[in-house]
Amino acid sequence: AQSVTQPDIHITVSEGASLELRCNYSYGATPYLFWYVQSPGQGLQLLLKYFSGDTLVQGIKGFEAEFKRSQSSFNLRKPSVHWSDAAEYFCAVGDSNTGNQFYFGTGTSLTVIP
Amino acid sequence: SQTIHQWPATLVQPVGSPLSLECTVEGTSNPNLYWYRQAAGRGLQLLFYSVGIGQISSEVPQNLSASRPQDRQFILSSKKLLLSDSGFYLCAWSAPGPSMAYTFGSGTRLTVV
Repeated sequence: AQSVTQPDIHITVSEGASLELRCNYSYGATPYLFWYVQSPGQGLQLLLKYFSGDTLVQGIKGFEAEFKRSQSSFNLRKPSVHWSDAAEYFCAVGDSNTGNQFYFGTGTSLTVIP
Repeated sequence: SQTIHQWPATLVQPVGSPLSLECTVEGTSNPNLYWYRQAAGRGLQLLFYSVGIGQISSEVPQNLSASRPQDRQFILSSKKLLLSDSGFYLCAWSAPGPSMAYTFGSGTRLTVV
């Protein structure tokens, strides 16, 4: 069965520090992978997506993610975190076998300290 | 451009009362539509999805039901709310196809008291 694991429930980083949020997936075919961000009390906003091709994808707000098939991972990174990046981050995998259902991870909450 | 509207933004309802949350999409046709629930401290749980008018798939047995009376309208309902129905409800749409990203509404915060 398809699944997504975000092993870090909560991460705290200092403003200006680098960030990496982990995402591991379980999927039998070529996955479609996504990262979303959710500010408190808001809906989810798409940061970036991977379908095929270059395994390093660039997204909005200075985020990037790298698809590593050998590790079944799609980690999200940002070189220098801003206070406004504090939010909940969700990784998701699209399921080509069932139409386009998404499977979401449980999320990683990011706190940014000055 | 496509937009998704979800209302109300917040709702406080007594136990046993009915529920109706509405979601509409503009600027596209034949979208896939989804209802998710996000309980406090938990991830996103897919409740229902629809690939067309009158076509509803339920992912998890719930005290809830969904309907799609029009192509771009998706309604989440309950006849009698339970305390456990409290949460943050999100509607989303996507174009058909596994590579199509979801676009989410702004959510409804439901508190059952």
